[in-house]
Amino acid sequence: DGGITQSPKYLFRKEGQNVTLSCEQNLNHDAMYWYRQDPGQGLRLIYYSQIVNDFQKGDIAEGYSVSREKKESFPLTVTSAQKNPTAFYLCASSLPDRGRYGYTFGSGTRLTVV
Amino acid sequence: GESVGLHLPTLSVQEGDNSIINCAYSNSASDYFIWYKQESGKGPQFIIDIRSNMDKRQGQRVTVLLNKTVKHLSLQIAATQPGDSAVYFCAENRDTGNQFYFGTGTSLTVIP
Repeated sequence: DGGITQSPKYLFRKEGQNVTLSCEQNLNHDAMYWYRQDPGQGLRLIYYSQIVNDFQKGDIAEGYSVSREKKESFPLTVTSAQKNPTAFYLCASSLPDRGRYGYTFGSGTRLTVV
Repeated sequence: GESVGLHLPTLSVQEGDNSIINCAYSNSASDYFIWYKQESGKGPQFIIDIRSNMDKRQGQRVTVLLNKTVKHLSLQIAATQPGDSAVYFCAENRDTGNQFYFGTGTSLTVIP
């Protein structure tokens, strides 16, 4: 079955550490996205990529980095510069054409700072 | 209804009743809208979509209404079931590229 897979489901980070969240899709979608979700708030865009080897900052990119070396993969690194990283992180993918068919979301990674 | 930046609205309904979830969108240039359902600890799932050349679209037990005059979107769920308990988001596709913009969501609780 085609889909989008995020791993791990739960992740714990110590202060000062970088951690990388995985996102893989086999939907042959060109565009991929990373969102952050905090309680009581909507989804906020961190980074997005429309094509391999290209990505753009979203609304809250500070303290995060991404890469898009393969069409199927869009990993997100939460760096030590991100001061409040505890959140639920969602990866999504879509076809081009202004995302007319909407996003397919992964099941999320819950990151907690310990 | 939901709006960016506010505390998550909640809605409680009795099982079997109809539910109406509202969403106000901000950009009159938005021309494509989607409702998503998110269960606890999971990613959002597509429910139904509507384009701006339509006022109403029906799916299985769900109906989306679009009022472009007041920039308002609603999701109606008929005969609400316990499995409908979730957070519901509206998303708008603005005429600025491939991105969708999401509201804060409404938490629906179905009382058995």
